[in-house]
This record gives sequence, C-alpha cells and structure tokens, in this order.
Amino acid sequence: SQTIHQWPATLVQPVGSPLSLECTVEGTSNPNLYWYRQAAGRGLQLLFYSVGIGQISSEVPQNLSASRPQDRQFILSSKKLLLSDSGFYLCAGLRQGSYNEQFFGPGTRLTVL
Amino acid sequence: KNQVEQSPQSLIILEGKNCTLQCNYTVSPFSNLRWYKQDTGRGPVSLTIMTFSENTKSNGRYTATLDADTKQSSLHITASQLSDSASYICVVSAGFQKLVFGTGTRLLVSP
Repeated sequence: SQTIHQWPATLVQPVGSPLSLECTVEGTSNPNLYWYRQAAGRGLQLLFYSVGIGQISSEVPQNLSASRPQDRQFILSSKKLLLSDSGFYLCAGLRQGSYNEQFFGPGTRLTVL
Repeated sequence: KNQVEQSPQSLIILEGKNCTLQCNYTVSPFSNLRWYKQDTGRGPVSLTIMTFSENTKSNGRYTATLDADTKQSSLHITASQLSDSASYICVVSAGFQKLVFGTGTRLLVSP
C-alpha cells in the first residue's frame, strides 16, 4: 500500500533559524507529491507540488522552498524562519486511479518562537 | 471564487447518536468531492470520494451524499463512537492539482 512518512513529528525552532522537513513515500513510483500547511482554524493551504525529480511548482509566495532530490523524497526548507511559519505541515501523495485521490502523511507540528 | 463552506463549525453529540455534517461549495469546474477524517495532530484520512454522477456513497457507519444541482454534500455518521471524535474536512476537486479545502467541522463524541 502507498504510505507517506514525515519527520520530525514536532519541531520547535527560534525565529531566523533554518528549517528542513522531510517527506518520503513508499509503495509507488514517480508519484506526484504535495506540501500543505494547516493553520489553526483554517483549511489546508497548498504550498508546493512536484510531478517529478527536480520539478517544483509553488502555489503561494512565501518564505519557504521545496526540493525533490529523489523520486520518493520531497523536502520543505527555509533559510530563516518567521513567526508566521508556525503551523501543521502535511505532505501528500497522489494515489493514481479514477479519483486521483490524495493520501496524507502524519504531519509535522512546527512552532517558531 | 472557489469556496467550500462547512457547517457546523463544531458539534458535540452523545455516544450512540447520529449526526449530519454539511458542505456547500462553489467550485468550478467540478471533478469530485471528498470527505476526510482528521484526528488531532494527524494527517487526514479519506472516507469517501464522489464524482458528479454519484449521489451517495457509504463507508461503514459513514454515508456521504452529493447534490450536484444545489452544490451541497452531507456526511452522516450513524451510531457514533468515541473514536469518531475528529475534524471532518470536505474537499472539492476542480480538476487535476486543484483541490479546494473546507475548514472542517470539529466533532466531539461524549460518553
């Protein structure tokens, strides 16, 4: 079965520090991968998606960047975190089929102090 | 503007009771509508997906309905259990890569 792994589960970082969140997928090859942010009381916001190695599309201008160094690896990064970067970050993959359903990882809770 | 609105924002019910969550959308073009369950601090898990031609779909005690004419969907939970306590998110697909998320209904099932 297709599974998304994310780490760490929680992270507390000071303002101005760098960030690296990792997402890996198993059970499928060449998947479309997505990074979402979920703020408290808000819907999920799509940050980046990738259809293949080295291919990144950004949905909103922001302080974050994404990279796809390997087929099953998707990384979310920042050089200098802002307070507004706090939130719950979810990585998702696309389950190929008639519905093109997205399946999600367990998420990373990021708190920037 | 593509939007998905869910109601109520939060709901408390007694264990064993039924409940219905609502989702209204203004998304075009419409591809499909999904309901996800999200436990606190976890990623969303898919419950049902319906296309334009499907007006009801069940997954155990969860039954989703879709009225494409009025652009409304509902999620009915039967004989609620404590483990049903979670946020339920309605998501409408406007085509490949274009998902519009509702803000969710937070359900608390009380013993």
